[in-house]
Amino acid sequence: DTGVSQDPRHKITKRGQNVTFRCDPISEHNRLYWYRQTLGQGPEFLTYFQNEAQLEKSRLLSDRFSAERPKGSFSTLEIQRTEQGDSAMYLCASSLGGTTGNTIYFGEGSWLTVV
Amino acid sequence: AQTVTQSQPEMSVQEAETVTLSCTYDTSESDYYLFWYKQPPSRQMILVIRQEAYKQQNATENRFSVNFQKAAKSFSLKISDSQLGDAAMYFCAYRTGGAGSYQLTFGKGTKLSVIP
Repeated sequence: DTGVSQDPRHKITKRGQNVTFRCDPISEHNRLYWYRQTLGQGPEFLTYFQNEAQLEKSRLLSDRFSAERPKGSFSTLEIQRTEQGDSAMYLCASSLGGTTGNTIYFGEGSWLTVV
Repeated sequence: AQTVTQSQPEMSVQEAETVTLSCTYDTSESDYYLFWYKQPPSRQMILVIRQEAYKQQNATENRFSVNFQKAAKSFSLKISDSQLGDAAMYFCAYRTGGAGSYQLTFGKGTKLSVIP
């Protein structure tokens, strides 16, 4: 069990550029989540996949954000035309299917700094 | 919408002592789950303990236990025999038990310092 892995761990980009983050969930997990965490705050839900289907999206996920999970395994989160307000840690998590009480396992996060 | 409130931004405890972190939540649902997560500095968030709302018995995991008061919508975490490795941000989180939403709603967190 290698856990949830995220890449890159840190990204500094200029305002207006596009960035993409990748998440590899725990191999047998069919549920995958993206959260955003800013300094001094708890994580905020962005979106959720069950297998390759994106079943839930937060209002935080503006049209500059797009998430995919094409084969039901890894996922990508792309932010287009980045803004300084996008600076945050982007957390990926995964869990087994079944009840909503199943444990959600988090990755170490991808830090984004927009300058 | 559900909300989770952690009223203690920072707490400290002497090594080997006991500390209690507070959490309250607001919901109209009867079926839900509550969690405490630990986030050490620059490390990933890990689950400390979980409580199902339909269970009256408080959850316990080794040195960690909760005081779940459903009527009061309170879910506090007690850490006994505190260790240096317990120093971290602790987040309380809520998740519906019903179908339709799988998101976790987090509080703002409590930073716990352990004094040697």
